[in-house]
This record gives sequence, structure tokens and C-alpha cells, in this order.
Amino acid sequence: EDQVTQSPEALRLQEGESSSLNCSYTVSGLRGLFWYRQDPGKGPEFLFTLYSAGEEKEKERLKATLTKKESFLHITAPKPEDSATYLCAVQAHSGYALNFGKGTSLLVTP
Amino acid sequence: GAVVSQHPSRVICKSGTSVKIECRSLDFQATTMFWYRQFPKQSLMLMATSNEGSKATYEQGVEKDKFLINHASLTLSTLTVTSAHPEDSSFYICSASELTGGKNIQYFGAGTRLSVL
Repeated sequence: EDQVTQSPEALRLQEGESSSLNCSYTVSGLRGLFWYRQDPGKGPEFLFTLYSAGEEKEKERLKATLTKKESFLHITAPKPEDSATYLCAVQAHSGYALNFGKGTSLLVTP
Repeated sequence: GAVVSQHPSRVICKSGTSVKIECRSLDFQATTMFWYRQFPKQSLMLMATSNEGSKATYEQGVEKDKFLINHASLTLSTLTVTSAHPEDSSFYICSASELTGGKNIQYFGAGTRLSVL
């Protein structure tokens, strides 16, 4: 059975304090690993898709990396507007549905 | 990125009534759409996969007679919660799948907060 575990559950950072969020996964044949950002009361906003180990993608202060067992979302010099829940999801070769982790709730304080 | 529109954003209804939620892909055609449910402080749980022109595939434990899904066109899927009860109160989110260059990305709607009194 596919499993996605995110850590930490919650993270509080000072503005400018860089850190990383972790997503560990087990899947029977990875089609893709997805990162989304979700603000309270809203739907997830697509950030990145990673398809193979060693792949990296960047967008502004965010950088996502992928290994065969986990993915990291690195946040460099975060700002208060980066506060949100970050969701990781895996997509198996068997279909297109996403299996989500429980998310990491990030709070960046000024 | 692609835009997915979901309406309504919030519904309050009496127990026993039915509620319809619409999900539209605005700038792309989506042969597959997905419906998720999210409880407070929890992640998204897949309810069903909706394919244009065919019957939806429901996840284990999801009542297909309770949650009716129709995917009548490449840009529209609807979820109808029939005879809603308080335990159906939740945040329902749809996503539409865009296939580009062999890669599949799901874009999500803004969600519908359903409150059943």
C-alpha cells in the first residue's frame, strides 16, 4: 500500500530562517511526486512535480529535491507570506490519483 | 498554471436535502477529474475518480449512491451529495487532470465547505 509521511507536522520559523520539510514515501512504482501549498479554507496550489531520483526544481524561495525514498522542500529565507500548509503527494504508475501526506503547517513570523 | 473553478464555495443546507457541486476546468480539457474530501487538520482523501463519458470509480468505503458523480463533458464534473446528513459536513475539493507531454498534473479547485444542519 502506498504511504506518504510528512515531517514535521508543524514548523515555526523566523523570517529569513531557512529550513527543510520532509516527505517520506513508499509506492509501487512512482509516476510522480507532487508538492502543493494550501492556504486555510482554500484548495491546494500546485508547486512542483518530480519524476525521478536526483531531480530538483526551484521556484522563488522554494526548492524541491527527490530521492528514491523521500523528497525535501527547502525554503530559503522565508517570508511571512510563505506561511501555509505544504502537502506532498505521490502518484503511482497504476493510475493518476494522488495519495497525500498529512502536510506540514508552516508559520513564518516577522 | 491551469485554472479549475469550483462552485459553490460554501453551502449550508438542512438534513435530508441534496447538494450539487460543480467543478470546471477553464482553460484546458480534462478527461479525468477527481473528488476529494478533507476534514479539519487532515489531509485530502480521494473519494472518486471521474472520467468523461463513463461511470466514476469510487474508493473503498465511499457510497456511490450517496455521492453521485457526473462527468458530462471534458470541462465539467459534478458531485451531488444526496440526502445530506450532518456527518457529510466537510470540505470537498475537486481536481482536474492536465496531460502535457506525457506528464500528468492535477490542478485543484478552491473547495466547497458543506455544512449540514
